[in-house]
Amino acid sequence: EVQLVQSGAEVKKPGESLKISCKGSGYSFTSYWIGWVRQMPGKGLEWMGIIYPGNSETRYSPSFQGQVTISVDKSISTAYLQWSSLKASDTAMYYCARPWNRGGGPIDNWGQGTLVTVSS
Amino acid sequence: EIVMTQSPATLSVSPGERATLSCRASQSVSSNLAWYQQKPGQGPRFLIYGASTRATGIPARFSGSGSGTEFTLTISSLQSEDFAVYYCQQYNNWPGTFGQGTKVEIK
Repeated sequence: EVQLVQSGAEVKKPGESLKISCKGSGYSFTSYWIGWVRQMPGKGLEWMGIIYPGNSETRYSPSFQGQVTISVDKSISTAYLQWSSLKASDTAMYYCARPWNRGGGPIDNWGQGTLVTVSS
Repeated sequence: EIVMTQSPATLSVSPGERATLSCRASQSVSSNLAWYQQKPGQGPRFLIYGASTRATGIPARFSGSGSGTEFTLTISSLQSEDFAVYYCQQYNNWPGTFGQGTKVEIK
């Protein structure tokens, strides 16, 4: 069974850094793209970026380019989403997602979500 | 970036009735279109890909159609567990943009 298990909820202050994680299991981690989808409170779904663990090719949505960093550690089948300086507007639920291709879909498996709250 | 527009924003339907949701792309996405269901407090659930192919385990009452720029998701006879928000997503071009969602609520 494919599983994407994300790290727990975070509460941070503006300006702080953060790295959240997503561990894949039940499939060949290096053979599928994996990435992050943002859902702001009461809003829809937005791709942030995806990475191919096999060669670390990374694609960012224009809206998120330069705002976050996506990385992987193949040795432990884990993907990461990182901020260097959080803003209140980063408050959202973040889903780890596994798309079938470099276009970002379709997404057949989702993590349980990591709620990030940024507040002073 | 391709813009996906869903209509209506909210659909009020009685249990047992048919629901028809629409999704339009700002340019052709061929058949590279998926649908997802999301219930409150849960992550999205994969329903349909290739515009019309049901994902594993999805009941036959869910069907998708369309190609190019116009797509439809039909739920033939709404069950209580189907009341949720539905999103379409194109994956023809990165980033695979989502529609804003259609909320299917109980009438």
